[in-house]
Amino acid sequence: AQSVTQLGSHVSVSEGALVLLRCNYSSSVPPYLFWYVQYPNQGLQLLLKYTSAATLVKGINGFEAEFKKSETSFHLTKPSAHMSDAAEYFCAVTRAGANSKLTFGKGITLSVRP
Amino acid sequence: SQTIHQWPATLVQPVGSPLSLECTVEGTSNPNLYWYRQAAGRGLQLLFYSVGIGQISSEVPQNLSASRPQDRQFILSSKKLLLSDSGFYLCAWIPGLNRNTGELFFGEGSRLTVL
Repeated sequence: AQSVTQLGSHVSVSEGALVLLRCNYSSSVPPYLFWYVQYPNQGLQLLLKYTSAATLVKGINGFEAEFKKSETSFHLTKPSAHMSDAAEYFCAVTRAGANSKLTFGKGITLSVRP
Repeated sequence: SQTIHQWPATLVQPVGSPLSLECTVEGTSNPNLYWYRQAAGRGLQLLFYSVGIGQISSEVPQNLSASRPQDRQFILSSKKLLLSDSGFYLCAWIPGLNRNTGELFFGEGSRLTVL
């Protein structure tokens, strides 16, 4: 079985500050990992994904994440927060193979202060 | 291009009434289709998924059912809604050629309030 842990439910940063959203996974097989973003009353949009290629993955809107097998982590970062980054962020895990299912964390709400 | 449509966007229903939420995808064939429910503070819960017409897998026992009458159509239903069915319902899909990637594409969601 696979699972994802996103500690805490809310992170608040100042505009221009570093954004760090933590994600730890559990998987008995090599994982595929994803970060999605959700704006209010909208569906989820893919930010970036790790599928066993480069361990440092760059995504949209200046976000990136690093896969660290030794720490079973896939933390999401952005050097400088923008007001438009305020949203809910979900980490998710699956495994390679047809018809595998994505398991999501509970999500973290990011607030950006002016 | 590949797109997904989900409707209605917002729905307010009394307890005991029926439900039908519809999802269709365009620009692809033989996709995997999924229904998720999002309740406040609880993340996304996978309700149903389908790998083909008429093939439905249920992840959790509940008051809901799903059907896939056509290749690119996925319907979520209930005969009698409960208060606990309130939430934000998301349809998602994986293109047939991308089944191994696990990457989901989401619709815009349907917000259901049961009163």
